[in-house]
Amino acid sequence: GAVVSQHPSWVICKSGTSVKIECRSLDFQATTMFWYRQFPKQSLMLMATSNEGSKATYEQGVEKDKFLINHASLTLSTLTVTSAHPEDSSFYICSARDRTGGIYTEAFFGQGTRLTVV
Amino acid sequence: AQTVTQSQPEMSVQEAETVTLSCTYDTSESDYYLFWYKQPPSRQMILVIRQEAYKQQNATENRFSVNFQKAAKSFSLKISDSQLGDAAMYFCAYRRGGNTPLVFGKGTRLSVIA
Repeated sequence: GAVVSQHPSWVICKSGTSVKIECRSLDFQATTMFWYRQFPKQSLMLMATSNEGSKATYEQGVEKDKFLINHASLTLSTLTVTSAHPEDSSFYICSARDRTGGIYTEAFFGQGTRLTVV
Repeated sequence: AQTVTQSQPEMSVQEAETVTLSCTYDTSESDYYLFWYKQPPSRQMILVIRQEAYKQQNATENRFSVNFQKAAKSFSLKISDSQLGDAAMYFCAYRRGGNTPLVFGKGTRLSVIA
């Protein structure tokens, strides 16, 4: 299957700083990327959907100014957590979808990023 | 809004035995897809099996099969000949047709007893 690489796998940052998480599709063009958040022992909650070259669509309750999503190319989307606070500590997962012949493929998941804000 | 419900927070099975994980969903759409994902301790999401709503035949992937009851909006996963490596969190997921995101259930933690 297609490979989605997420980097870093884990990161620790100080409260008030910003951290950037990258999500790359290695062998396909990701026309759409989804960002999820997963708290310990809980399910994945969709944060936002981004389509290449356009602004991300955020789910209700997700702060656009705190979680900046950029999808500038067909192989890269980034999630920047700005002015991070301990409550932002979580597991963030991206997934990417290709569009071949007008039919959308299933989304492939990155390995996730564990963010700890101290 | 679509919802996915997994009523079993935890399940256990003896090695080599069979276990069934339950999932129900709510939707008014006619075009949709259902999935079971496995999340091992590494937390990498692994697609186990996929079912298109328009297909009447239940999907099967080796030891994994589903019981798709469209009228009842039920989508259970059966794991046969359970192996120690099957121990993980299992998430049932739904998405409607088109370029749409997945909606996940709360998950079922499966333990396999040697």
